[in-house]
Amino acid sequence: EVQLVESGGGLIQPGGSLRLSCAASGFSVSSNHISWVRQAPGKGLEWVSVIYSSGGTFYADSVRGRFTISRDNSKNTLYLQMNSLRAEDTALYYCAKIDYGEDYWGQGTLVTVSS
Amino acid sequence: QAVVTQEPSLTVSPGGTVTLTCGSSTGAVTSGHYPYWFQQKPGQAPRTLIFDTTNKHSWTPARFSGSLLGGKAALTLSGAQPEDEAEYYCLLSYSGVRVFGGGTKLTVL
Repeated sequence: EVQLVESGGGLIQPGGSLRLSCAASGFSVSSNHISWVRQAPGKGLEWVSVIYSSGGTFYADSVRGRFTISRDNSKNTLYLQMNSLRAEDTALYYCAKIDYGEDYWGQGTLVTVSS
Repeated sequence: QAVVTQEPSLTVSPGGTVTLTCGSSTGAVTSGHYPYWFQQKPGQAPRTLIFDTTNKHSWTPARFSGSLLGGKAALTLSGAQPEDEAEYYCLLSYSGVRVFGGGTKLTVL
């Protein structure tokens, strides 16, 4: 069974850093495209980043240069390193396996950027 | 980065038909944008209804269909049910970078 479990969210001050993790089971992160998607409270979905099975990465303009997506194949885990955090990064962050017609989402981890 | 536009809200009568659209600031939406449609209900994670313009998941009710219409991606709901009241998001791909539309709040009333 495919499962995605996010962790690492919390309250962080503006300008701070946080690393989110997404532990995968039922498939190999190294062989799949996996995205991060976020949703600010009461707002719409925002695509953040994707890592391809090839290792290629892409980012939304709003996070490019501040966020880095990566994976640890030995731990079967995806990461999102978030630096220079801003209030507008406050959101529920989902990891999602949604390419090629798949549809697997984690439960999300909440990031709150506030002083 | 491209901007993806959706109707902010639409209302459909039970049993009625409604079409939600998804446009791109870069021009016509094509199959090369691999349009996805997601449904999200309050307190739940999104769920894919349509992928790659027209393809349905096993759980996608037959009353939903995807297409390209007038330079936009379209999601048509034929025979609306009360349980279809939800937020609907499209997602377009631009050579690796994906962009969600702002979402359409669909009311069945």
